[in-house]
Amino acid sequence: DAGVIQSPRHEVTEMGQEVTLRCKPISGHDYLFWYRQTMMRGLELLIYFNNNVPIDDSGMPEDRFSAKMPNASFSTLKIQPSEPRDSAVYFCASTAGPEFNTEAFFGQGTRLTVV
Amino acid sequence: EDQVTQSPEALRLQEGESSSLNCSYTVSGLRGLFWYRQDPGKGPEFLFTLYSAGEEKEKERLKATLTKKESFLHITAPKPEDSATYLCAVPSNDYKLSFGAGTTVTVRA
Repeated sequence: DAGVIQSPRHEVTEMGQEVTLRCKPISGHDYLFWYRQTMMRGLELLIYFNNNVPIDDSGMPEDRFSAKMPNASFSTLKIQPSEPRDSAVYFCASTAGPEFNTEAFFGQGTRLTVV
Repeated sequence: EDQVTQSPEALRLQEGESSSLNCSYTVSGLRGLFWYRQDPGKGPEFLFTLYSAGEEKEKERLKATLTKKESFLHITAPKPEDSATYLCAVPSNDYKLSFGAGTTVTVRA
């Protein structure tokens, strides 16, 4: 398996524009997580899915953020409208589950810059 | 609220100079403690899971230990390729991983 695949690797956009980040988890993994990493706040969990269903989105900072998982092999994180403070590295991770202490596999991340 | 604190923030070592990183945690009922390694421009990579006080795990020059309040990651005779940011994390009872801020280790040849 190629691991967790994220696209794009880098995204530069203007404030107010819509941004969509994409993730393909490892085949067979039941859990998918979206994290955001910044120097100030470290790694923060935004939302996670179990079997394509959003379980906990309490980490999503504002209504501008939304995430979907239409099938087991694809998820998106959308920011609309984007703001400069959204600039960060966004990671997607997946785990085999169901144990909550199962090893998580992370993608390479998407570095988002909002100017 | 679960909290994870790592120290030091940064560690500069000479090749071969052994040292330890600390991860202290406050959780209601530990369900495991994870160590990850993160290289620049990459996602975190899993190293170890520890489940109970007294447990130890080793991988090459790394050894992780766990007590009731903290975990240590010992780096023995490090090499430049051990340079990375080391993150620890603990899961809450609802599958969330709380990460520490990390310790950035730089090993000079």
